[in-house]
Amino acid sequence: QLQLQESGPGLVKPSETLSLICTVSGGSISSTTYYWGWIRQPPGKGLEWIGSIYYSGSIYYNPSLKSRATTSVDTSKNLFSLKLRSVTAADTAVYYCARHVGVTLQYVDNWGQGTLVSVSS
Amino acid sequence: QSVLTQPPSVSAAPGQKVTISCSGSSSNIGTNYVAWYHHLPGTAPKLLIYDNNKRPSGIPDRFSGSKSGTSATLGITGLQTGDEADYYCGTWDNSLNTVVFGGGTKLTVL
Repeated sequence: QLQLQESGPGLVKPSETLSLICTVSGGSISSTTYYWGWIRQPPGKGLEWIGSIYYSGSIYYNPSLKSRATTSVDTSKNLFSLKLRSVTAADTAVYYCARHVGVTLQYVDNWGQGTLVSVSS
Repeated sequence: QSVLTQPPSVSAAPGQKVTISCSGSSSNIGTNYVAWYHHLPGTAPKLLIYDNNKRPSGIPDRFSGSKSGTSATLGITGLQTGDEADYYCGTWDNSLNTVVFGGGTKLTVL
């Protein structure tokens, strides 16, 4: 059974870089069927898609975050990562890693448990 | 403000039926498939419906999805207290080039 697990610091200082890793187990990140993505949920708000990456490196980003976000994939370790630069309090959220089905990111069929990242000095 | 519009909350009694609407536009729901997700705070969201009306294995047929024009609807019959959760719709938006979600609907089973 596929499992996704987020890891990374739970507290980041304003203006610094948020870094998260999603480790995939029970399936290969090199599958041709899926994109691997990041979605966040600020406290009391809805879901916001950040970006998604294919095993070969093709990437989609949310235009509102594209200037600050970078996602990458490591097929040898079966994981993918997110870096979000110049964070502010508005970036405080639960961050989920996820598996999208289809090259048009039609839907997410597997989600990580989520990790809370707080931005505060 | 979310691109897709959902009612903030709905409620119904156990055993009853409830519907949750998701309104969008020609660049998202009008053109692309819609998915629905069940979410309990502190847990991983769960896929309920994909491609407008298909259920993943393990999702009971009490859950159904439909789409008409630029709107989609999630239906839940035989409500159980365990169905209390937040429900989100999602799809791709061709104009924004993003995955978009509704703001979420909190279901209360009275």
